[in-house]
Amino acid sequence: AQSVAQPEDQVNVAEGNPLTVKCTYSVSGNPYLFWYVQYPNRGLQFLLKYITGDNLVKGSYGFEAEFNKSQTSFHLKKPSALVSDSALYFCAVGYGNNRLAFGKGNQVVVIP
Amino acid sequence: ETGVTQSPTHLIKTRGQQVTLRCSSQSGHNTVSWYQQALGQGPQFIFQYYREEENGRGNFPPRFSGLQFPNYSSELNVNALELDDSALYLCASSLVGGAGSPLHFGNGTRLTVT
Repeated sequence: AQSVAQPEDQVNVAEGNPLTVKCTYSVSGNPYLFWYVQYPNRGLQFLLKYITGDNLVKGSYGFEAEFNKSQTSFHLKKPSALVSDSALYFCAVGYGNNRLAFGKGNQVVVIP
Repeated sequence: ETGVTQSPTHLIKTRGQQVTLRCSSQSGHNTVSWYQQALGQGPQFIFQYYREEENGRGNFPPRFSGLQFPNYSSELNVNALELDDSALYLCASSLVGGAGSPLHFGNGTRLTVT
């Protein structure tokens, strides 16, 4: 069975500092990995995905993620955080036909 | 290009009642999936519809059912509501494909069961 772990409940970072949100996964077969962001009272917005190819994936709003097969990780990163990046971030693994298994989410708080 | 739209945005029901939630898929998408997001949790897969038929189901009881219409819009029906059904219900559309296709989510319907 596929699963995702997001070990931290909340990540606090000062504006302008690098932001990292951690994710580890467990799948059988090739991993299809995603990051989504959720703002209050809104649905999930797609940020980026890893299917195959380069281990560093670039996505929307300046976010990127690094796939590490040996550590089964897919950490989300942003070089310089903005206050507007404060939101709930979900890591997910794709399986079957367009289905996603999500982690519990990480609340990111960017402090001005 | 219109995105995924869901209605209503909020709903309050009483335990034992039935509820219907609606979703219009993003233009050009032929697959719709429903997810339940309980407070403080990640979304959980309920089921998926393709060509008006259920195309996979998560760990949810039969009182959760759905429909997909020829225009690819969809409904989620929940019978005999329980307090634990209180959650944000998310609809997502996509083109049929493998596990690497991203889902496009609506803003959800917040269901409160009292």
